[in-house]
Amino acid sequence: KNEVEQSPQNLTAQEGEFITINCSYSVGISALHWLQQHPGGGIVSLFMLSSGKKKHGRLIATINIQEKHSSLHITASHPRDSAVYICAVDIAGNQFYFGTGTSLTVIP
Amino acid sequence: GAGVSQSPSNKVTEKGKDVELRCDPISGHTALYWYRQRLGQGLEFLIYFQGNSAPDKSGLPSDRFSAERTGESVSTLTIQRTQQEDSAVYLCASSKDRVINEQYFGPGTRLTVT
Repeated sequence: KNEVEQSPQNLTAQEGEFITINCSYSVGISALHWLQQHPGGGIVSLFMLSSGKKKHGRLIATINIQEKHSSLHITASHPRDSAVYICAVDIAGNQFYFGTGTSLTVIP
Repeated sequence: GAGVSQSPSNKVTEKGKDVELRCDPISGHTALYWYRQRLGQGLEFLIYFQGNSAPDKSGLPSDRFSAERTGESVSTLTIQRTQQEDSAVYLCASSKDRVINEQYFGPGTRLTVT
């Protein structure tokens, strides 16, 4: 069993649609990260959160510590949002666990 | 300002040879991380430095792997007696502080062991 489960694995959306990617984890964490990996391989950190909700532009991330669940929302999706989105959890101490990623394709 | 840089960007080596991968973090970032991503697979955590110390090296895949950091700056990941299963992209990231700050990723070193 993976410590971090993401869903869906693959997602295709029409431009403008509202998108939700889910992440569930089974261990106690100190923080949760959402990462974006572009088709060329580069990785960008989108959010780091340990409680509540954060918003950057069209991206919103929420976390429910009691339910061990986080969601990443993209409003008004655009083809440039096409990427792999990765959930990662930081275990206090010295370990990170990663989800397998959600591959998002936004069609014009 | 400059981001996280890694060198070399690509490395092809023969099985059994040693390789050294370098990471230059953002200046002032005390936390540094090494990750590995095999082709078509997810990210794996290897090791974390706070300053020059790695509190726990248990994430390193085998005793052929070692890492060090000096001057709270550059870090090197060394793989001895490389094997084909070591082929992967090795990514470095840094952050101001592990607890409250996001990580900035380098472009990675693509290692191919033939």
